[in-house]
Amino acid sequence: LAKTTQPISMDSYEGQEVNITCSHNNIATNDYITWYQQFPSQGPRFIIQGYKTKVTNEVASLFIPADRKSSTLSLPRVSLSDTAVYYCLVGFPGGYNKLIFGAGTRLAVHP
Amino acid sequence: DTAVSQTPKYLVTQMGNDKSIKCEQNLGHDTMYWYKQDSKKFLKIMFSYNNKELIINETVPNRFSPKSPDKAHLNLHINSLELGDSAVYFCASSQEGSSKQYFGPGTRLTVL
Repeated sequence: LAKTTQPISMDSYEGQEVNITCSHNNIATNDYITWYQQFPSQGPRFIIQGYKTKVTNEVASLFIPADRKSSTLSLPRVSLSDTAVYYCLVGFPGGYNKLIFGAGTRLAVHP
Repeated sequence: DTAVSQTPKYLVTQMGNDKSIKCEQNLGHDTMYWYKQDSKKFLKIMFSYNNKELIINETVPNRFSPKSPDKAHLNLHINSLELGDSAVYFCASSQEGSSKQYFGPGTRLTVL
C-alpha cells in the first residue's frame, strides 16, 4: 500500500478556495486516490475518489497529474463548516479494502 | 435514517472488565470494519468481515474478539480491558470491492 504525505495543517478564510496536496510517490498502477473528511467527534466521511486527470462532484474536485505521484483536493469557497481533518488514501479499491489512514491535514477555516 | 449506528456512544469502565460495542448498518453492505482512533488521532483498522466471515485481522491483542451474527451487524467484544484500550472505536461498512466506506459515529471508550 502506497504511503501518503500531506501537510499537517492549513489555515484559510471563508469564501476562499483551498487546495490540499498529497504526495504518493510509490503509487501502484491499480491504485486509486481517495479523500475522506473527518469532523471532530464524528467518523470519517468519503469525499471523492479518482484515478487520473480530474474528478469533480458536488463537494470537491480532485486533480491528478499524469505521473499520479501526487494529487490535489480542491475545496471551492470554503465555509466555517469545512473545518475538519482531511485524509488522502491510496489503494486498490477491489477486494476487501483495507484503508490506511495517515495523519491527515487539519484545515481551519476562519471568519 | 442512520446508515451505520454504534452503541454505546460513550463507555467508561474499570481495568480488567469485559465490555462490548455493537454496530449495525442498514445499507445492505457486505463488508464491515472496526477501526481504532487513539489520542493522537491516528485511525487504524482492526478487523474486517465480509458476509460474516473474518477477512482482515490486524495485529490486535486476542482480548479483542469481533462477532458478526449476520452481515448487518459486527460487534466488538473486549476482555480484560487495559488503560491502553482507551480510544474512539469506529465501525464502518462498504459494498464488497469498494473503498467508499461509511463510518459510524464512534464509541469513546475510557478505561480507568
